[in-house]
Amino acid sequence: EAGVAQSPRYKIIEKRQSVAFWCNPISGHATLYWYQQILGQGPKLLIQFQNNGVVDDSQLPKDRFSAERLKGVDSTLKIQPAKLEDSAVYLCASSSVGSLFFGPGTRLTVL
Amino acid sequence: AQSVAQPEDQVNVAEGNPLTVKCTYSVSGNPYLFWYVQYPNRGLQFLLKYITGDNLVKGSYGFEAEFNKSQTSFHLKKPSALVSDSALYFCAVRDAGTASKLTFGTGTRLQVTL
Repeated sequence: EAGVAQSPRYKIIEKRQSVAFWCNPISGHATLYWYQQILGQGPKLLIQFQNNGVVDDSQLPKDRFSAERLKGVDSTLKIQPAKLEDSAVYLCASSSVGSLFFGPGTRLTVL
Repeated sequence: AQSVAQPEDQVNVAEGNPLTVKCTYSVSGNPYLFWYVQYPNRGLQFLLKYITGDNLVKGSYGFEAEFNKSQTSFHLKKPSALVSDSALYFCAVRDAGTASKLTFGTGTRLQVTL
């Protein structure tokens, strides 16, 4: 079974620039999550989708972050404009029942 | 609000010795509990979960965890540690009654030495 795919794996940008991350979940998984993991901390949920609807985006900084999941499969997470404190690993995960399966993550460095 | 505490930033153990990584949780309803492992430059890998039933849960790579409702704990254990077990371990909890988010602890670094 193929896992959760994410791209790019690494991204370096300057502050105030824009960036987008892509995620392809495990086939058939209705629930998709974006987590932010800052160095030395546990992952923090940014947004949770059930099919193409948003279930929880309470911790998403909506003034600069946006996410969509068109057609209930792939998802993109965008940051515009980026700040220094956005430097982190962005993890995508999907689940069907219970367990979450994570992709390799995108390491973002904002200079 | 749900939360997870991992009181140890790092656990050091010699290869061949038993290991324990501690986790306590707080959730309003019944808990679903998880352990994940993270190797350098890699994503989180699922180790094991407690949903219901037997309090002792067995998972991947010889790891197991014991759910203790009275102590609200879900400690990760392995009878004999390997150097290759060295990694970052995260405990996580979600409320069983809702489609709630999975809340992670801050992680415990396990260092296994020869």
